[in-house]
Amino acid sequence: EIVMTQSPATLSVSPGERATLSCRASQSVSSNLAWYQQKPGQAPRLLIYGASTRATGIPARFSGSGSGTEFTLTISSLQSEDFAVYYCQQYNNWPEWTFGQGTKVEIK
Amino acid sequence: QVQLVESGGGLVKPGGSLRLSCAASGFTFSDYYMSWIRQAPGKGLEWVSYISSSGSTIYYADSVKGRFTISRDNAKNSLYLQMNSLRAEDTAVYYCARGDDYGDYWGQGTLVTVSS
Repeated sequence: EIVMTQSPATLSVSPGERATLSCRASQSVSSNLAWYQQKPGQAPRLLIYGASTRATGIPARFSGSGSGTEFTLTISSLQSEDFAVYYCQQYNNWPEWTFGQGTKVEIK
Repeated sequence: QVQLVESGGGLVKPGGSLRLSCAASGFTFSDYYMSWIRQAPGKGLEWVSYISSSGSTIYYADSVKGRFTISRDNAKNSLYLQMNSLRAEDTAVYYCARGDDYGDYWGQGTLVTVSS
């Protein structure tokens, strides 16, 4: 089983600042990685797939990078609607999806 | 627009059964692989099961294998999850999602509570 580890668990950021979230895989997942945003009481929303491709309708301030075992989600300038929990998910070990434990981005 | 609407959740006793449904609209359902993912209260996401577009290929997480059955009816644009021998640890919000690699669209979820 591939274990996904996200850091930090909580990230405190001021609106307008840059946020950098990390995701590490216990073994290589190539570029088979997705990022989701989840707000309280809502379903996850796909942000990034293929490690760096933005999903339909996702603003350009969201960007993903990395390959192999190390990945990063960057939010270039945090907006009020971006405060949420973010999950990474690998799909290299198909058909099993494995999620990280999440990073909560909160207002500083 | 793509819509996925789950239903069928509720309170059930340990050992009981429940059948979840996911009604799809806004896309050609029969063209897409579908998945179920769950989220225990206050916890992270856990993949549960996946079914191919035709229904011929199915996979389950080890935690539900032998107890849960995924199926679909392409004529009714619907996805199902039959859950038997339910345990307290199956308590979660269950989401259906479109896709086999990742979920590009998700439903709003339905809550399943297993408690005596």
